[in-house]
Amino acid sequence: AQTVTQSQPEMSVQEAETVTLSCTYDTSESDYYLFWYKQPPSRQMILVIRQEAYKQQNATENRFSVNFQKAAKSFSLKISDSQLGDAAMYFCAYRSPTSGTYKYIFGTGTRLKVLA
Amino acid sequence: DVKVTQSSRYLVKRTGEKVFLECVQDMDHENMFWYRQDPGLGLRLIYFSYDVKMKEKGDIPEGYSVSREKKERFSLILESASTNQTSMYLCASHIPSTNTQYFGPGTRLTVL
Repeated sequence: AQTVTQSQPEMSVQEAETVTLSCTYDTSESDYYLFWYKQPPSRQMILVIRQEAYKQQNATENRFSVNFQKAAKSFSLKISDSQLGDAAMYFCAYRSPTSGTYKYIFGTGTRLKVLA
Repeated sequence: DVKVTQSSRYLVKRTGEKVFLECVQDMDHENMFWYRQDPGLGLRLIYFSYDVKMKEKGDIPEGYSVSREKKERFSLILESASTNQTSMYLCASHIPSTNTQYFGPGTRLTVL
């Protein structure tokens, strides 16, 4: 069975600085999808970025980018020029394209604090 | 814009009560999910549904049941609420074309 591990329960970053959140996963599949979701305090969970495993190029969305290391089964999220609004819980998630039911497996989350 | 709504943001119930949590999506999605979110445990899948009247157990279905009579509505039922079901409950629907799950705002349930 697939697993997703986020080893950093909490991280802090100074405003305008860069921070990297770690995520590792375990799977025997060669094709899959990886996601980072953001859950601001008392607000809805939203998708930050996604990566298809067959794509070698790392995904980027404005200040958010990933470092996808397929062989190492690592999928870290880099937030550049951190802003106060980036403070949130961040969840890494895995989805198998073969499951046919769109089930996601989530990590335990990393709480990011942004210091002014 | 995709909209997933949940019937209550906060709910307080007594042990033994039957509890209904409702989720509605407005985009004709086939796939809908109920998760439970607890500190340090992340999101755990309770049940999901891939079509009307179709459902499958997730990782922690014990103590829960679901109902999907209409495509837009997916209900989570706690037959007899217990204190260990105090948690945040998140509903989500999935859009295959964008490979994205959209979440509702969550219901924080407290069972006394």
